[in-house]
Amino acid sequence: EVQLVESGGGSVQPGGSLRLSCAASGFTFSSYAMSWVRQAPGKGLEWVSAIRGSGSSTYYADSVKGRFTISKDNSKNTLFLQMNSLRAEDTAVYYCAKDGGNTVGNWFDPWGQGTLVTVSS
Amino acid sequence: QSALTQPASVSGSPGQSITISCTGTSSDVGGYNYVSWYQQHPGKAPKLIIYDVSNRPSGVSNRFSGSKSGNTASLTISGLQAEDEADFYCSSYTSSSTVVFGGGTKLTVL
Repeated sequence: EVQLVESGGGSVQPGGSLRLSCAASGFTFSSYAMSWVRQAPGKGLEWVSAIRGSGSSTYYADSVKGRFTISKDNSKNTLFLQMNSLRAEDTAVYYCAKDGGNTVGNWFDPWGQGTLVTVSS
Repeated sequence: QSALTQPASVSGSPGQSITISCTGTSSDVGGYNYVSWYQQHPGKAPKLIIYDVSNRPSGVSNRFSGSKSGNTASLTISGLQAEDEADFYCSSYTSSSTVVFGGGTKLTVL
């Protein structure tokens, strides 16, 4: 069974940093692209970032480009999202999701349970 | 990248069929067959119900179906059941090698 478990969320002040992790199991982690998708309280889904299976290519939404960095450790089956210069508008539940293949953006299945990031002074 | 356009809400009675539209541009929905749909119940993670425009993952009811015409994709749910009440989101790959979601549609089963 494929499982994704996020961790690392919490409360941080504006301008601060946070690193999210997503532990994956049940599939060949290095063969699949992975994505982060967020959902602000009471709002819809917003794609944040993606990375190819090998980690060779990364992709970002304009809203986080230059502030967030996605990476993966294929030896530890773990996906990361380093978030710097956090803003109030980054407050959301962050989900990691497995892409349908090694290329980015086909579909997302499954999703983790999510981890809440709150940016507030 | 602007969000795909979905109706904010739709409703139907048990047993009826409803359709949710998802309108984009030739740079996303219209340009690729990488449209997917997700169902999200309150407090839960989204669940994939349609991928590549019209394919159903294993285990998803055949009451869910997807299609696309031009820049608009559609999700149809037939034989509405109370358990179908949820939020639904479409998504598409884009020409910028990114992904864009729709704003979401709240389905109410009357």
